[in-house]
Amino acid sequence: QVQLQESGPGLVKPSETLSLTCTVSGDSISSFYWSWIRQFPGKGLEWIGYIYYSGSTNYNPSLKSRVTISVDTSKTHFSLKLSSVTAADTAVYYCARHRGYSKSDWFDPWGQGTLVTVSS
Amino acid sequence: QSVLTQPPSVSGAPGQRVTISCTGSSSNIGAHYDVHWYQQLPGTAPKLLIYGNNNRPSGVPDRFSGSKSGTSASLAITGLQAEDEADYYCQSYDSSLSGSVFGGGTKLTVL
Repeated sequence: QVQLQESGPGLVKPSETLSLTCTVSGDSISSFYWSWIRQFPGKGLEWIGYIYYSGSTNYNPSLKSRVTISVDTSKTHFSLKLSSVTAADTAVYYCARHRGYSKSDWFDPWGQGTLVTVSS
Repeated sequence: QSVLTQPPSVSGAPGQRVTISCTGSSSNIGAHYDVHWYQQLPGTAPKLLIYGNNNRPSGVPDRFSGSKSGTSASLAITGLQAEDEADYYCQSYDSSLSGSVFGGGTKLTVL
């Protein structure tokens, strides 16, 4: 059974780059799409972007200029980088696997999430 | 502001039936993209509840059901139980965004 675990700094200074890693265990990264999703303190969810195991990506247009998602060559984890962060980027960040088919896919499972606070 | 619109809260007594709506537009639900639902218990990550409009993953009780019509979708919960108290989110694909969109979430209170 696949499990996902987010890791990274819980505190990032304004204007710096947020970096998180999602470690996948129990199954291979291959043949799936993988996403980053965040949940703001007010509880709303926002899809950040996804990566295919081959390395192709798609980002939320509202974040595209600041986001980079990558997958490691050993295919055991994928990463998120969000640059020039502000307090508005404070959120719980989740990684999740896509299931289903193109444009009708859903997220299952999700990682447990990691809180990232942007503050000086 | 979320692309998909949900009521902020709903409530019901144990044993009752409640529904949670999810309203979209012609670029998402109305464009025939599937709707999926998640349950988020306090302090935990969202968990898949309904996929493909009306399908339940293994382990989800048949008290939970989904439907879709036009630019809206609904989640119905029958025989309410105290353990159903949680936040519920809908999700679909949006062609304008070329990606996934979520509803703002609905807090279910079991009275």
